[in-house]
Amino acid sequence: NAGVTQTPKFRVLKTGQSMTLLCAQDMNHEYMYWYRQDPGMGLRLIHYSVGEGTTAKGEVPDGYNVSRLKKQNFLLGLESAAPSQTSVYFCASSYLRGGGTYEQYFGPGTRLTVT
Amino acid sequence: RKEVEQDPGPFNVPEGATVAFNCTYSNSASQSFFWYRQDCRKEPKLLMSVYSSGNEDGRFTAQLNRASQYISLLIRDSKLSDSATYLCVVTSSGGFKTIFGAGTRLFVKA
Repeated sequence: NAGVTQTPKFRVLKTGQSMTLLCAQDMNHEYMYWYRQDPGMGLRLIHYSVGEGTTAKGEVPDGYNVSRLKKQNFLLGLESAAPSQTSVYFCASSYLRGGGTYEQYFGPGTRLTVT
Repeated sequence: RKEVEQDPGPFNVPEGATVAFNCTYSNSASQSFFWYRQDCRKEPKLLMSVYSSGNEDGRFTAQLNRASQYISLLIRDSKLSDSATYLCVVTSSGGFKTIFGAGTRLFVKA
């Protein structure tokens, strides 16, 4: 049981290049999320998905696109990278616990630098 | 004003000390509350959920005051291994709007 995995772990892009970050979970969770974390700030939600084939915008969606073609995978795309997208990206998945709480499990993160 | 605010610290305490972290949130419709722990350059991991009645897990005690929109975490008998950043997390709208505080750094020294 690997939990939540992310690939790649590190990446350096030049401004204007594109890339896709892959998140996979083997816990059969319905919900998946993409966050970014910048120094001095909390994690900010980029996009999320409540099930296969559905996605929705979070707090900071501009410049990113996502897809959830399979329940276990959630892809984050950067169409034209900008230096402002230099960040650590975390994927998470969750399920509904008793009492209506959503405990989120995180992947190890992807460190992206855009030059 | 940030939706979830925490004292960034750092808190520097000796082993064995008791330390308390506070967190305030602005959305009165918030539904679920958590404390996560994040080690340097690692992913956040759930430490504990926070319930209105208060809850305890070993050396850790969490409290929620809905009227004051305030959450706390108490760590008793601090260990070196407790050194980390503690994130206050609040969710609403069915659990999908999740707001993370910027975190409070704790250093426990021998």
